[in-house]
Amino acid sequence: AQKVTQAQTEISVVEKEDVTLDCVYETRDTTYYLFWYKQPPSGELVFLIRRNSFDEQNEISGRYSWNFQKSTSSFNFTITASQVVDSAVYFCALSDGGGSEKLVFGKGTKLTVNP
Amino acid sequence: EAGVVQSPRYKIIEKKQPVAFWCNPISGHNTLYWYLQNLGQGPELLIRYENEEAVDDSQLPKDRFSAERLKGVDSTLKIQPAELGDSAVYLCASSSSYGGSYNEQFFGPGTRLTVL
Repeated sequence: AQKVTQAQTEISVVEKEDVTLDCVYETRDTTYYLFWYKQPPSGELVFLIRRNSFDEQNEISGRYSWNFQKSTSSFNFTITASQVVDSAVYFCALSDGGGSEKLVFGKGTKLTVNP
Repeated sequence: EAGVVQSPRYKIIEKKQPVAFWCNPISGHNTLYWYLQNLGQGPELLIRYENEEAVDDSQLPKDRFSAERLKGVDSTLKIQPAELGDSAVYLCASSSSYGGSYNEQFFGPGTRLTVL
């Protein structure tokens, strides 16, 4: 069975600090996809990134970066120089590569960035 | 381009009453998903439609929940009768299975249900 664990329930930082959100996953599939979504107070899930299991290259997009390590089954998300607008709940999710597109989400990490 | 539309945004009902949620996916998206999100948890899939066919409803509690997508476009999720434990956010998402190796899911704002 697939499982995603986000051990950090809540994180609070001061603006401009760097913050890393942890994600550990479990799957028996050799082909799978990993995701990060952002859920602001408005409630809508906003897609941030998708990674497939064959691509372990780290990715950077502006202040966001992702570190995918198959050896430790982790897909961590770092926000550099955090801003108040980054305050939200962040979800890591996993999907198999068989085309079902069923997303299995972690419980989320609530990030609060204080001014 | 309009996103996934859901209504109502909020609903308060008494237990044992029926309730229905409506979702209109992004135009052209043939796959539609209903998710349940309990407080402090990640979303969990209830049902997935490919056009008008429910291809995965294994997590849908069929004794009280039902869903339909008659013309393969918009969809309705119903609960009858509602129980206190049904209080949650119900999210709808859509994707297109035409082309591409993976089809991104786009989420609506959700319907927050409170059962008293």
